[in-house]
Amino acid sequence: DTGVSQNPRHKITKRGQNVTFRCDPISEHNRLYWYRQTLGQGPEFLTYFQNEAQLEKSRLLSDRFSAERPKGSFSTLEIQRTEQGDSAMYLCASSPTLAGAPGELFFGEGSRLTVL
Amino acid sequence: AQKVTQAQTEISVVEKEDVTLDCVYETRDTTYYLFWYKQPPSGELVFLIRRNSFDEQNEISGRYSWNFQKSTSSFNFTITASQVVDSAVYFCALSESGGYQKVTFGTGTKLQVIP
Repeated sequence: DTGVSQNPRHKITKRGQNVTFRCDPISEHNRLYWYRQTLGQGPEFLTYFQNEAQLEKSRLLSDRFSAERPKGSFSTLEIQRTEQGDSAMYLCASSPTLAGAPGELFFGEGSRLTVL
Repeated sequence: AQKVTQAQTEISVVEKEDVTLDCVYETRDTTYYLFWYKQPPSGELVFLIRRNSFDEQNEISGRYSWNFQKSTSSFNFTITASQVVDSAVYFCALSESGGYQKVTFGTGTKLQVIP
């Protein structure tokens, strides 16, 4: 039984470079979430997928951020032209659908981004 | 807009003491869901409990109990006879029904249990 898997676990990049994170959710979960967490803060919602449809995107997500879930399975989060302020832990979570209600979120271990 | 406030940033207790973590939420929806998550020092967030807005019964699970009061928009979490393993950051979260059900987290309360 595998949980939510995120890759890479750590990424160090120079300002201005592009980075991509991948999330493999629990296989039967059709909801997938991306969050960002900085030190001492709670997870901040970035975006949410129901199967392959991106249903909501936070205003925190500038146009440098894009997320996809092409076949309703794994998802990618790309950050273009990274800035130092993008340094954070990027968390992915998946969730089953419980008769339309939000269920428990299963989180991955996160991908830590450091922008130099 | 939904919002979760956890006013306690850090709490320290001595082992075996009881401790209550406060959570106050804001929502315009009449149907919503509340959650508590634990983030131990290892980092991975772990689900503890989910409640819907129509169920105000308090819940107890071992040393954990939750007190949901709609009148004060609060969903507090009590740990009885705390243990060192309870040391973690605890997050309260809210999801509104309808719409696309994003889950909004509070800023967390860091609990340190001292042996």
